[in-house]
Amino acid sequence: EAQVTQNPRYLITVTGKKLTVTCSQNMNHEYMSWYRQDPGLGLRQIYYSMNVEVTDKGDVPEGYKVSRKEKRNFPLILESPSPNQTSLYFCASSRFGHEQFFGPGTRLTVL
Amino acid sequence: AQSVTQLGSHVSVSEGALVLLRCNYSSSVPPYLFWYVQYPNQGLQLLLKYTTGATLVKGINGFEAEFKKSETSFHLTKPSAHMSDAAEYFCAVSDKTQNFGNEKLTFGTGTRLTIIP
Repeated sequence: EAQVTQNPRYLITVTGKKLTVTCSQNMNHEYMSWYRQDPGLGLRQIYYSMNVEVTDKGDVPEGYKVSRKEKRNFPLILESPSPNQTSLYFCASSRFGHEQFFGPGTRLTVL
Repeated sequence: AQSVTQLGSHVSVSEGALVLLRCNYSSSVPPYLFWYVQYPNQGLQLLLKYTTGATLVKGINGFEAEFKKSETSFHLTKPSAHMSDAAEYFCAVSDKTQNFGNEKLTFGTGTRLTIIP
C-alpha cells in the first residue's frame, strides 16, 4: 500500500530534550516536506527537500533541522525543543507536479 | 505572496442539505488549487484539485468545486450532506511557476463541518 508513515504518532517531552520524528514514504517520491498545524493558523511549511541531500527552509524553520540521506526518509529533528513547538506535525511527499500525500500526523507536546 | 482565506471556521448543515464551504485565494500567478479533508486523528486526504482546463472539478465523496478566476474563488460544494462528511476541510494553493521547485502548499485556516441529524 502506498503510504507516508510517521513515528511516533504521539510524543510528550520536556524542554531541551532532543527528539526526532521520522517520516518514510514507499512511493519513490522525489519531493518531501514537513508542515506544522496550529489552531487558527492552518498548516505551515517547516522544511522541504527536492531530492537526496537537497533540503531548504520553508516558512517556519526556526528550531528545526532535517536531513535527507535516503530518498524514502525525511526525519525532522528538534535539537532543543521548546513549548512553542507544541503542535501537530505532518510529513508529505509527492512526485513533482503531482498531488502531495500526507502522513497521519505526530502530535507533539513540549512541557 | 500567496494566501488563502476560508470564510467561516465552523459550518453546520443538516443531513441532506447543501454543503457550501468558501475559499478565496490570492496569487500572482495562475494557481493550482486544492481541497483537503481531515477526519479526526487522521492525516489530510485530497478531495479534489484544479490545475488547468475545466473550471468545474469533481472530487471524491460527491464533492465538487468551481474555479472562478474573476472572483479568485474556489468554493467547495456537495448537494446532499451525509453524517460521514463531518470533518475539517482545508483549501490550499500552490505556486507552480517552475517545474522543479518548492511544491509548498499554502493552506487556509480550515473549516470544521458539522452535520446535524
